[in-house]
Amino acid sequence: EADIYQTPRYLVIGTGKKITLECSQTMGHDKMYWYQQDPGMELHLIHYSYGVNSTEKGDLSSESTVSRIRTEHFPLTLESARPSHTSQYLCASSGTGYAAGYNEQFFGPGTRLTVL
Amino acid sequence: GDSVTQMEGPVTLSEEAFLTINCTYTATGYPSLFWYVQYPGEGLQLLLKATKADDKGSNKGFEATYRKETTSFHLEKGSVQVSDSAVYFCALSSGGTSYGKLTFGQGTILTVHP
Repeated sequence: EADIYQTPRYLVIGTGKKITLECSQTMGHDKMYWYQQDPGMELHLIHYSYGVNSTEKGDLSSESTVSRIRTEHFPLTLESARPSHTSQYLCASSGTGYAAGYNEQFFGPGTRLTVL
Repeated sequence: GDSVTQMEGPVTLSEEAFLTINCTYTATGYPSLFWYVQYPGEGLQLLLKATKADDKGSNKGFEATYRKETTSFHLEKGSVQVSDSAVYFCALSSGGTSYGKLTFGQGTILTVHP
């Protein structure tokens, strides 16, 4: 079944640790996105990619980095986690053209990160 | 630039009450419009969408009509259930430099009591 997956679902780590949040999709989508969701529920785009070897920074500045080596995989990395990175991180993907519903995005279940 | 404004929440209703969540937008060209829903502890799910003026999107008893003249896409449901308690996001997608990206409203928290 075509879907979008995120692991881990929950992560509690100490300050200074390097972490990677995984996101994979089996829908064959070319575009992928990372959002940060604050406690007030508002969504902020932090990274996006239009295809392999394409990555762009989003509207909200983030200390995280991303890579897109394979179409289906879009991991997000924090080299040195801090308490200010505590948040919910959501990954999404979308296809191209009319069949994609004019840029409808499909979301993963999210990773809730807590940095102590 | 593009923007979406949702009515401020949270919204608290009794079961079987009528629901309206207002959404207005500013965009260039002819955007597609979406309502997403986020249940506790989950990611966002598409609830309904409309891709051109006067289109009505509908799903699970929810409806929204794309009104270009008032730049609005208000979400309505005639009779809410406790299971509708969630966060609702209005969003738009336009072309040009925003290609592929969604612009979201700030979200509206809905709580339905028995």
